[in-house]
Amino acid sequence: ETGVTQSPTHLIKTRGQQVTLRCSSQSGHNTVSWYQQALGQGPQFIFQYYREEENGRGNFPPRFSGLQFPNYSSELNVNALELDDSALYLCASSPQGMVDTEAFFGQGTRLTVV
Amino acid sequence: TQLLEQSPQFLSIQEGENLTVYCNSSSVFSSLQWYRQEPGEGPVLLVTVVTGGEVKKLKRLTFQFGDARKDSSLHITAAQPGDTGLYLCAGVFMEYGNKLVFGAGTILRVKS
Repeated sequence: ETGVTQSPTHLIKTRGQQVTLRCSSQSGHNTVSWYQQALGQGPQFIFQYYREEENGRGNFPPRFSGLQFPNYSSELNVNALELDDSALYLCASSPQGMVDTEAFFGQGTRLTVV
Repeated sequence: TQLLEQSPQFLSIQEGENLTVYCNSSSVFSSLQWYRQEPGEGPVLLVTVVTGGEVKKLKRLTFQFGDARKDSSLHITAAQPGDTGLYLCAGVFMEYGNKLVFGAGTILRVKS
């Protein structure tokens, strides 16, 4: 059974650019949540996908968008990058019927915006 | 204002000492989880508590959930350098759509 994997592990982008981060959920999990973790802070909920539909969104602007695919993998897209978007982006998957009660995290993607 | 407050923010202790980390909210948790995160890694789930008054033990770690389900604590006995990391509590609140809400975390450093 493979765990949650994220790619890339590190990324440097220029302000104004767009970025796509990827997440493969753990086998048997159909729910994926994305979090942003700034340095020295706890993760902040961005949004969640359940069976390819958005299932809740945190306090993030529309330039943060996502997708979930039929195999339950997911993408996080951020447009018009700002310096404050520099953070660790975490993906977590949950098993069917246990939305956010047992979340398993990937290692994260460290995004630096310069 | 944070929905979920953790204290202390930072703790530096000697190997062998005991410590307690606290997690508090003004809202009732449906459930609460404790995670440990190391630099460059994602959080790893330690425990989930659901029932008010519940106590769970994981080797030298003891987790308590308050009777009113608004607070929790993590107690580590005889801390070791391998316990060093960021400890995060995360709550599920029904009024927030059953999504995980994280505290800011407690950075623990255990010196040998």
